[in-house]
Order: sequence, then structure tokens, then C-alpha cells
Amino acid sequence: DAKTTQPPSMDCAEGRAANLPCNHSTISGNEYVYWYRQIHSQGPQYIIHGLKNNETNEMASLIITEDRKSSTLILPHATLRDTAVYYCIVRDAGGTSYGKLTFGQGTILTVHP
Amino acid sequence: NAGVTQTPKFQVLKTGQSMTLQCAQDMNHEYMSWYRQDPGMGLRLIHYSVGAGITDQGEVPNGYNVSRSTTEDFPLRLLSAAPSQTSVYFCASSPPSSGANVLTFGAGSRLTVL
Repeated sequence: DAKTTQPPSMDCAEGRAANLPCNHSTISGNEYVYWYRQIHSQGPQYIIHGLKNNETNEMASLIITEDRKSSTLILPHATLRDTAVYYCIVRDAGGTSYGKLTFGQGTILTVHP
Repeated sequence: NAGVTQTPKFQVLKTGQSMTLQCAQDMNHEYMSWYRQDPGMGLRLIHYSVGAGITDQGEVPNGYNVSRSTTEDFPLRLLSAAPSQTSVYFCASSPPSSGANVLTFGAGSRLTVL
């Protein structure tokens, strides 16, 4: 699996966009980028995933660079409830490895009033 | 849909006792898995199942058993609890094929072994 690197922590003001970076320079052609988050004491929550095109859903946007070596998760209008640990995971979508995700340390995002 | 339901939410065991953590999902997901999370660490995969009757080991399977007799249920058994198994346990499920990495997690079961 491709290794990911995320900053250990970030701050964001409430109402502003939160931009969470992730480096995955060894990503291979069939690997997707997945983002999850874990709010304190709760189970992780899926946010979004993508292969090479930018993706958007009701929670966030995912921007993947053209060379696919890095990506950015964007929470467009952060709220206090977005304070959580955000995990960037790279994994191929199928085959024998599907579902076996490796959660690293993630980025602790703190949203301030 | 209730999603993924884990019971119990909290449990205290003495060393050597056995117990089963229950996990049930009502989304007809084929794939189910168990993770543990220890302070300051990410989640680690214990066991997983790609369908009824099929289970396999993850990263940290020692001390745990699983079975998958139905699509809905995936219990995790601790045969002889040890203090090192004090952790928060999360069950997850996902649909097959390209959706398999879009996991839905339960709320967690916090286990303390004395």
C-alpha cells in the first residue's frame, strides 16, 4: 500500500474553509484516495474518495493533483462539529485487499469559534 | 436502517475471562471487519469476513476468534482476556466490489481487562 503523510494537527476558524493536505507520493495507478474522520470517542465516518478526478459530495471536496502524489480534503464552511481526527488512506478498490484499510495517525483538526 | 450495531458499549473483564462482542448490520453488506483502537494509535484490523462462512485474519488476530454464520452478524470472541486486550473495538461493514472500502462503523465497544 502507498504510505500517506499528514500534518499531525491543524486549526481552522469556524465558518472558514478547512484544507487538509495528504501526501501519497508512492501511490500506484489503481489506488484510490479515501478520507475518513473520527469525532472523539465515536466510530470513524467515511467522508469521500477519488481516483484522479476531483470529487465533491455533501460533506466535502477532494482535490487530487494531476500527478496523484498529493491530495487535499476541503471542508468548505467548517463548524465546531467538524473538530475530529481526519485520516487519509490510499488503497486499491477491489481484489483481495478490499476493505482492509490502514488507519495511520491522521490530522487532528480543531475548529475554533 | 440501524446501520452497524455493537453491544455491549462498555465491559469490564478480569484476566482469563471470556466474552463475545456482538456486531450486527442491517444493510445486507457482504464485508464485515473488526478493528481495535488503542490510545495514541490508529485503528488496527483484527479479523474480517468477505461473506457468510468466510473469515480471515487481519493485522492483530491473536487472542481473538470470529465466525460468520449469517450475513448480518459478525461476533468477536475473546477466549481468555488479557490486560493487553484493553481497548476500544469497532466493527465495520461495507458492500462488495468497488464499494468495499466505504466502511460504515459501529459506535464502538470499550473493553477493560483487569
